[in-house]
Amino acid sequence: GQNIDQPTEMTATEGAIVQINCTYQTSGFNGLFWYQQHAGEAPTFLSYNVLDGLEEKGRFSSFLSRSKGYSYLLLKELQMKDSASYLCAVRRVGTGGGNKLTFGTGTQLKVEL
Amino acid sequence: NAGVTQTPKFRVLKTGQSMTLLCAQDMNHEYMYWYRQDPGMGLRLIHYSVGEGTTAKGEVPDGYNVSRLKKQNFLLGLESAAPSQTSVYFCASSYSSDSNNEQFFGPGTRLTVL
Repeated sequence: GQNIDQPTEMTATEGAIVQINCTYQTSGFNGLFWYQQHAGEAPTFLSYNVLDGLEEKGRFSSFLSRSKGYSYLLLKELQMKDSASYLCAVRRVGTGGGNKLTFGTGTQLKVEL
Repeated sequence: NAGVTQTPKFRVLKTGQSMTLLCAQDMNHEYMYWYRQDPGMGLRLIHYSVGEGTTAKGEVPDGYNVSRLKKQNFLLGLESAAPSQTSVYFCASSYSSDSNNEQFFGPGTRLTVL
């Protein structure tokens, strides 16, 4: 089976930096995704890691340590529009093909003035 | 391009009624997925398809059926709705099974079963 853990809620200040952690336990790990989901909307892709290290994309960065089963999403220069739920999802190699993902329950980030 | 679209956006059913949710994508993606999202549970995979004419079970398939008669469409059916199927349903698609291919999500269908 799989187990993915993320904090339920976080609060941060506009302009600050926030780190959202995700830990996972799985066999056949084959990549980790971060998605952003605003209330009442669809998840949208933010980042992907399959090798250890940091991937940077503008104000967003994502880090992966496969040996520790750990990832984080780093958001810099926070803006009010970054208030959303952030979903960690693990891809696992399995039978039947497909790019199946297992999602964590999401971290609700609130950005305050 | 419209991306991934879902119909209907909202629906209220009575216990025992049936309905079909339609997902369509115009990105020529091979893979399509149906998820449900419940508070505190995250997104859970119901069924998925790796190509036209194929379907496979996901994590929570019971009570649902699917069909992929055309590459661009993926239908999710509820034969006899139950209150436990009250949820938000998301369809997604991806180009291939390559590990870096992200899934694109539709806007969701909010279903209430009374």
